[in-house]
Amino acid sequence: DIVMTQSPDSLAVSLGERATIHCKSSQSVLYSSNNKNYLAWYQQKPGQPPKLLIYWASTRESGVPDRFSGSGSGTDFTLTISSLQAEDVAVYYCQQHYRTPPLTFGGGTKVEIK
Amino acid sequence: QVQLVQSGAEVRKPGSSVKVSCKVSGGSFSSYAFNWVRQAPGQGLEWMGGIIPIFDTTNYAQKLQGRVTITADESTSTAYMELSNLRSEDTAVYYCAREKRSRDLLAEALEYWGQGTLVTVSS
Repeated sequence: DIVMTQSPDSLAVSLGERATIHCKSSQSVLYSSNNKNYLAWYQQKPGQPPKLLIYWASTRESGVPDRFSGSGSGTDFTLTISSLQAEDVAVYYCQQHYRTPPLTFGGGTKVEIK
Repeated sequence: QVQLVQSGAEVRKPGSSVKVSCKVSGGSFSSYAFNWVRQAPGQGLEWMGGIIPIFDTTNYAQKLQGRVTITADESTSTAYMELSNLRSEDTAVYYCAREKRSRDLLAEALEYWGQGTLVTVSS
């Protein structure tokens, strides 16, 4: 199984500042046939289901603000919130859907306001 | 607008079973993969298994093999997850989620999610 490791577990960022979350997979999630990384990012707020933010490592889901961006390839990925807003307080998860089953998630990163 | 609506909260005793439903509206049902993901209180997300109705294929997490059964009723566009021999550690919110696109070869990101069903296992 591919193990997904996120860091940090939590971070506190001032409003308007940048938040950066890292995700590392134990094996590459790059599919060479289409050159896409099968890595997704989700945002989960308390009492709500997860919400898809980014897929294929860097493609923003429709309706997601452009302050959210994803980058990386192979085994190392980053989710960046360029200017943190109050509504961005949530837990963020990365997930690989390349070598399945199983789909595997990172442990989550809690983002708070400093 | 695709919507996944799950059945309501359940309370079960250890050793019993629970079956959670996930009714899909507003989009095609059979050609998409539906996955079940659970979240224990204060914990992260755990994939349980999935089904592709058009192929009637299922996959399960190894740790739940033998206890979990995922099915789909194409006539009602409803997916089901049944978990048997319940233990206290099965107390969690259970989510169904539909993949973003019909599978070409590989699994896709989870675009649509149900609202979640709290299952509490307690004697």
